[in-house]
Amino acid sequence: QEKVQQSPESLIVPEGAMVSLNCSFSDSASQSIWWYQQHPGKGPKALISIFSNGNKKEGRLTVYLNRASLHVSLHIKDSQPSDSAVYLCAVVTEGADRLTFGKGTQLIIQP
Amino acid sequence: EAAVTQSPRNKVAVTGGKVTLSCNQTNNHNNMYWYRQDTGHGLRLIHYSYGAGSTEKGDIPDGYKASRPSQENFSLILELATPSQTSVYFCASRQGNTGQLYFGEGSKLTVL
Repeated sequence: QEKVQQSPESLIVPEGAMVSLNCSFSDSASQSIWWYQQHPGKGPKALISIFSNGNKKEGRLTVYLNRASLHVSLHIKDSQPSDSAVYLCAVVTEGADRLTFGKGTQLIIQP
Repeated sequence: EAAVTQSPRNKVAVTGGKVTLSCNQTNNHNNMYWYRQDTGHGLRLIHYSYGAGSTEKGDIPDGYKASRPSQENFSLILELATPSQTSVYFCASRQGNTGQLYFGEGSKLTVL
C-alpha cells in the first residue's frame, strides 16, 4: 500500500519568504502527485499537480518531482498571509481507485 | 465550478444512536468518497463508490455503512455511533482516475 510522508509537520515563516514543503512516497509506479490546500473549516482544494519528472510552475507555485528518489516538493514564492493553511500531498498510483494522502504540513505566514 | 454539498454541517449525537451524513454533487462525477480527518491521522478513506448502486470499503470501514442511491447522492451511515467516531467527515467526488478530488465543506460530528 502506498505510503506518503510529509515534512515538516508545521512551518512558520515571515510574509514574503520562500516556502518549501516536502513529500516522499513509497510506490515508484505512482502516476501523479497532487498538492491540496486546506483552510480552517474548509474542505481541501486541489492546488497543483505533476505527472512527469522535473518541475512545473504556476504563478507563485513551483513543484519538483524526482521519481528516482520518490520525492516531490512544493515551493511558494513571495508568501502571503492568505497562504496560511494546511498543505496535503496526495499520490495517485497507476491502477489504483483512490488517492493516498499524507498527514499534511501546517503553514503559518506571519505578517 | 464543481460543487459538493454536505449536510448536516454540524451534528451532535448520543452513543448508540444512528447518524446519517449526506452528500450531494452536481459535477456528474462517477466516483464519490467519504473521508474522516483527525489530528495526527490526516485524511482516511472510509467508503467510496464508482456510481449509483455501488459501494466499496476503504481503509477504515468498520462501524460505517455507505449508500449511493443515485449519481448525485452518497450517504455515510453510522448505525451505532461511538465517541471514537467523533471527527470531521469530508465527502468528495472525482471523474475517472484523475487525481483531482472536489471536496465538500465537511461535517463535524460529535458523539457524546
